[in-house]
Amino acid sequence: SAVISQKPSRDICQRGTSLTIQCQVDSQVTMMFWYRQQPGQSLTLIATANQGSEATYESGFVIDKFPISRPNLTFSTLTVSNMSPEDSSIYLCSVEQTDYGYTFGSGTRLTVV
Amino acid sequence: EDQVTQSPEALRLQEGESSSLNCSYTVSGLRGLFWYRQDPGKGPDFLFTLYSAGEEKEKERLKATLTKKESFLHITAPKPEDSATYLCAVHGSSNTGKLIFGQGTTLQVKP
Repeated sequence: SAVISQKPSRDICQRGTSLTIQCQVDSQVTMMFWYRQQPGQSLTLIATANQGSEATYESGFVIDKFPISRPNLTFSTLTVSNMSPEDSSIYLCSVEQTDYGYTFGSGTRLTVV
Repeated sequence: EDQVTQSPEALRLQEGESSSLNCSYTVSGLRGLFWYRQDPGKGPDFLFTLYSAGEEKEKERLKATLTKKESFLHITAPKPEDSATYLCAVHGSSNTGKLIFGQGTTLQVKP
């Protein structure tokens, strides 16, 4: 299955600042997905990132808050902007893999203080 | 609206005590039902994909089954290393690439 590397693995940030999370895949993929997992909750899709087009955001998530880049078929970034404590979550990227379902990265644990 | 409900929320077993986790779902046109294992502080690890009612898949002590309304993850003779949160997710035909996750079942296996 694909190997997904996420950076950083964790960070503690001040409110009002922004953090960019990187997701690198070891093979070319058409779509990459960004999920959020709030404390004690399950995973919720933030947006789908296709190479060469604007990301598609789910209800409740907006581009100004979570801008996404997808410069090529193996890489994507998610920025969490103007952070507040409510943004404290685990952020995960995911890709679809034939025979392996959807593979997830190890996640970025974000704490906003 | 696609929906997934997992039960129980938490399960404590003695080592060797077999049990089952339940995943009930409603979805428009099931394209796949997925089981994942998630350890604390890590991303979900893929276990199984099931596509149609009656399908079963096995991996070591785990066996996943699927009906038109629910899926079960059977754990046979569990060991302490099976302790984790098990997540169920569905992919419906109306959602390209979007998985709808249940809340998970946190399993603790005591030696």
